[in-house]
Amino acid sequence: NAGVTQTPKFRVLKTGQSMTLLCAQDMNHEYMYWYRQDPGMGLRLIHYSVGEGTTAKGEVPDGYNVSRLKKQNFLLGLESAAPSQTSVYFCASSGAEADTQYFGPGTRLTVL
Amino acid sequence: SQKIEQNSEALNIQEGKTATLTCNYTNYSPAYLQWYRQDPGRGPVFLLLIRENEKEKRKERLKVTFDTTLKQSLFHITASQPADSATYLCAHYNKLIFGAGTRLAVHP
Repeated sequence: NAGVTQTPKFRVLKTGQSMTLLCAQDMNHEYMYWYRQDPGMGLRLIHYSVGEGTTAKGEVPDGYNVSRLKKQNFLLGLESAAPSQTSVYFCASSGAEADTQYFGPGTRLTVL
Repeated sequence: SQKIEQNSEALNIQEGKTATLTCNYTNYSPAYLQWYRQDPGRGPVFLLLIRENEKEKRKERLKVTFDTTLKQSLFHITASQPADSATYLCAHYNKLIFGAGTRLAVHP
């Protein structure tokens, strides 16, 4: 039982490049979330999903897209990376809306 | 807009003492407040959840209180140990809003 895993752990991009972050969970959770964490700031919700095939915008969705084609996977895409997207990205999942969130180990992204 | 505020200054205490961390929120009260622990380079780990109709919740050396009049939650660690050193995050669950966290350092 791996919980929540994220791929990759680290990535360096040049401005304008694209990439996809992968989140996988093996707990059969309905809800999945993508957050970013910047120094001195709390986790900020980018997008979330309440079930397979559904996605919704969070607090800071601009510049990101997501997809939830399979229940266990939640993908976060950056179509044209910008230096402002340099951050640590965390994926989380929960069994229900007000349930405990289980977080992945994070992806540290640097955009030059 | 809804905000969660935690003391940005690190809290330094001696081993064996009680650590008290504060979480203040604006606007309307959440149905739930959650507390998480985050170690450097790792994702947050859930510790406790308290509902708005609960005044206090305990788990081993941890205690959380919730005062909807003050719009505040307090997080206590009794008999603190150096292993308790970490950043502690408060989360307003309805809106999925997290505070920036307070770093706790417990010194031997």
